[in-house]
Amino acid sequence: AQSVSQHNHHVILSEAASLELGCNYSYGGTVNLFWYVQYPGQHLQLLLKYFSGDPLVKGIKGFEAEFIKSKFSFNLRKPSVQWSDTAEYFCAVNARGDYKLSFGAGTTVTVRA
Amino acid sequence: EAGVAQSPRYKIIEKRQSVAFWCNPISGHATLYWYQQILGQGPKLLIQFQNNGVVDDSQLPKDRFSAERLKGVDSTLKIQPAKLEDSAVYLCASSLTGVGEQYFGPGTRLTVT
Repeated sequence: AQSVSQHNHHVILSEAASLELGCNYSYGGTVNLFWYVQYPGQHLQLLLKYFSGDPLVKGIKGFEAEFIKSKFSFNLRKPSVQWSDTAEYFCAVNARGDYKLSFGAGTTVTVRA
Repeated sequence: EAGVAQSPRYKIIEKRQSVAFWCNPISGHATLYWYQQILGQGPKLLIQFQNNGVVDDSQLPKDRFSAERLKGVDSTLKIQPAKLEDSAVYLCASSLTGVGEQYFGPGTRLTVT
């Protein structure tokens, strides 16, 4: 079974700062990769996903993530955060062709105005 | 399109009592998932349905948890009897097929006292 590790539990930034959240997974086979976001008081929603092709994936709200297969990583980035990016971010992985989604513990991002 | 609906949103019960949660997935989604999210952790899959059949319930504590999906649409998750460690948010998700993007409901926050 695959496992997912998110490096930071809580990140605090000022507006306009750059954001990078780390995600590593342990699984030797082909994977699908996801980042989900949960804004305060809202439900989990998909930010971006990687199935195949270009390892640099662009998602909603200016977020992007890069899949580095050799490092088993799928880090999330945003060049300039806004106060509205305050949320909890979850990395998730499933083995290709498998349904079972494994989530990391999440990173809480607080953006100060 | 309407999202995944869940009720109730909050529930407080005493240990050894029973509780039930309801989920209505997005119309046309064949696959339905129940997750448990304990504070500070990522969601953990409890059970997955494909139409009205169980695909995976390997992480469902079957001595106290049960779930059903009648007619392949709505689903209920029941806990009987509840324990203190069952305090968590119970998330329902659905997807069009068994792999790929999952759409999450708002969750039910259960507190067991």
